[in-house]
Amino acid sequence: GAGVSQSPRYKVAKRGQDVALRCDPISGHVSLFWYQQALGQGPEFLTYFQNEAQLDKSGLPSDRFFAERPEGSVSTLKIQRTQQEDSAVYLCASSLGAVGYGYTFGSGTRLTVV
Amino acid sequence: GESVGLHLPTLSVQEGDNSIINCAYSNSASDYFIWYKQESGKGPQFIIDIRSNMDKRQGQRVTVLLNKTVKHLSLQIAATQPGDSAVYFCAERWNSGNTPLVFGKGTRLSVIA
Repeated sequence: GAGVSQSPRYKVAKRGQDVALRCDPISGHVSLFWYQQALGQGPEFLTYFQNEAQLDKSGLPSDRFFAERPEGSVSTLKIQRTQQEDSAVYLCASSLGAVGYGYTFGSGTRLTVV
Repeated sequence: GESVGLHLPTLSVQEGDNSIINCAYSNSASDYFIWYKQESGKGPQFIIDIRSNMDKRQGQRVTVLLNKTVKHLSLQIAATQPGDSAVYFCAERWNSGNTPLVFGKGTRLSVIA
């Protein structure tokens, strides 16, 4: 597609519920990144994929967070047993090469845990 | 949409004036830098980038300056327009290869018409 697409645009979850957030990167982009952006803050790195391989997951805040990209294109970020502190905007970015330049971001998914 | 940057430093500029947004980056080994613009309810939008082997790069109405000696990055916007109002983030890549971007705290630019 023309840009990075994320769905859903907004998600409200009850505390304890599992959620799945989807990212469709730009077609052909090798690298895919997930970021978390709390209100009033800059995006913070969660995890990184090169094709289907998850090369860095050092930013995932707990083992409740899990990401996958099984066919090297679409990626899903899953959060189990959501907590209020998980409320944030989750951003996905992709870049063409393995060495990333010009990362393109999607519009994000706004997750609110109530 | 939700507000981005509720408690960020704010720069207020008269329409038509030039804007300068500054950023102190963290890692002297960083090799690549990007400026992003983020409007409320939207993802960061790429503005301009610069590699560490350059001191200056110009785009349309924007210029990025890199001072590696003091780890300082600036974004200059010429003839600022109301549509430039947004939160601006600098981001650095800590080393070449498969490493993610690290974002600064952001600056809110408010253009006064």
